[in-house]
Amino acid sequence: EVQLVESGGGLVKPGRSLRLSCTASGFSFGDYTMSWFRQAPGKGLEWVGFIRSKTYGGTTEYAASVKGRFTISRDDSKSIAYLQMNSLKTEDTAVYYCTRERFEWGFDPWGHGTLVTVSS
Amino acid sequence: QSVLTQPPSASGTPGQRVTISCSGSSSNIGSNSVYWYQQLPGTAPKLLIYRNNQRPSGVPDRFSGSKSGTSASLAISGLRSEDEADYYCAAWDDSLSGWVFGGGTKLTVL
Repeated sequence: EVQLVESGGGLVKPGRSLRLSCTASGFSFGDYTMSWFRQAPGKGLEWVGFIRSKTYGGTTEYAASVKGRFTISRDDSKSIAYLQMNSLKTEDTAVYYCTRERFEWGFDPWGHGTLVTVSS
Repeated sequence: QSVLTQPPSASGTPGQRVTISCSGSSSNIGSNSVYWYQQLPGTAPKLLIYRNNQRPSGVPDRFSGSKSGTSASLAISGLRSEDEADYYCAAWDDSLSGWVFGGGTKLTVL
């Protein structure tokens, strides 16, 4: 069974850092682009960024709202994708989801999400 | 303000057919595939439609997608109470070099 499990969320003060992990199982992790999305309380979905597979250079793309503050990386040997979040702002408060994608098949499945609360 | 435009709400009675629209521009829907996601209350999003009109295995054929120009739509026929959820359209935007979403449509089954 394909499974994605996010972890690392919690309460953090503005300006601090947090690293989220997305642990994958049930598929060939290295073959997929891994993406992060977020959903602020009561709001819609927002794309955060993604990291391509090594086959496509392992390069990253980010939303303008997080570029320069967030970094996505991957460890294919452990089947884990990371989201390093620095200089956190109150507006970064959201549930963060990870998901996979390949060949325009859509983002499927999604993890259950992990809540990040940025507050003093 | 979302890049893709969806109606905030839609409703129907059991058995009815409901459509949800998604409007974009030439840089997103006009030149790339459209995807639809269903988010049941308190759960993670689920892929409903990919590449404009393709259903993943396990998604009932009551759900269908279409695209024309810079607009797309999701149709749900034979509406059921378990279809009550938020629905989001998404597409890659060439100008923004990122994925963009609609603001979501809350479907109520009366």
